[in-house]
Amino acid sequence: DAGVIQSPRHEVTEMGQEVTLRCKPISGHDYLFWYRQTMMRGLELLIYFNNNVPIDDSGMPEDRFSAKMPNASFSTLKIQPSEPRDSAVYFCASSPLAGIIEETQYFGPGTRLLVL
Amino acid sequence: DQQVKQNSPSLSVQEGRISILNCDYTNSMFDYFLWYKKYPAEGPTFLISISSIKDKNEDGRFTVFLNKSAKHLSLHIVPSQPGDSAVYFCAASVKFSQGGSEKLVFGKGTKLTVNP
Repeated sequence: DAGVIQSPRHEVTEMGQEVTLRCKPISGHDYLFWYRQTMMRGLELLIYFNNNVPIDDSGMPEDRFSAKMPNASFSTLKIQPSEPRDSAVYFCASSPLAGIIEETQYFGPGTRLLVL
Repeated sequence: DQQVKQNSPSLSVQEGRISILNCDYTNSMFDYFLWYKKYPAEGPTFLISISSIKDKNEDGRFTVFLNKSAKHLSLHIVPSQPGDSAVYFCAASVKFSQGGSEKLVFGKGTKLTVNP
């Protein structure tokens, strides 16, 4: 398996522009997670999906952020409009089973976002 | 407020010696603890975990110790190797309110450098 795939790997944009990050989870995984990593706050969970349905979005910082999962093999995280404080590394992770901690989360390589 | 704290942002050790990475937590409801390892430009990868009902788990050169009364866990790497140089994240799991998969709460990470 290719693992979790994220695109783009790097994104540089100007403040006010729309940014869309993409994720393809590992085939057969029922759970998909979006994280953000910053120096100040470390790794933060933004939102997670179970069988394509958003379950917990309490970590989404504000209304400028939205996430969708139209099918089992694709998810997007959108920031509109983007701001310099959104600059971070965004990770997508997937997990195969519920409630079985040994089946841990598998992370993608991340998208490094820089908003100028 | 950080529920999982890694107070040392960096650690440097000599090859062959022991590396000890520390982690403190505040939420007594955490029921599982994990360590993830992250190389530059890659996503975190699962390293080792421990259930809250245990006080030690060992996997090769890696051992995790849990002191529930002190709300403290540590990762021991012995002997340390240059290839262990990476950022290590401590994470704790909390059941989602609706049941299902574990929600991971991460610390900010500790950058370990093992010098040859």
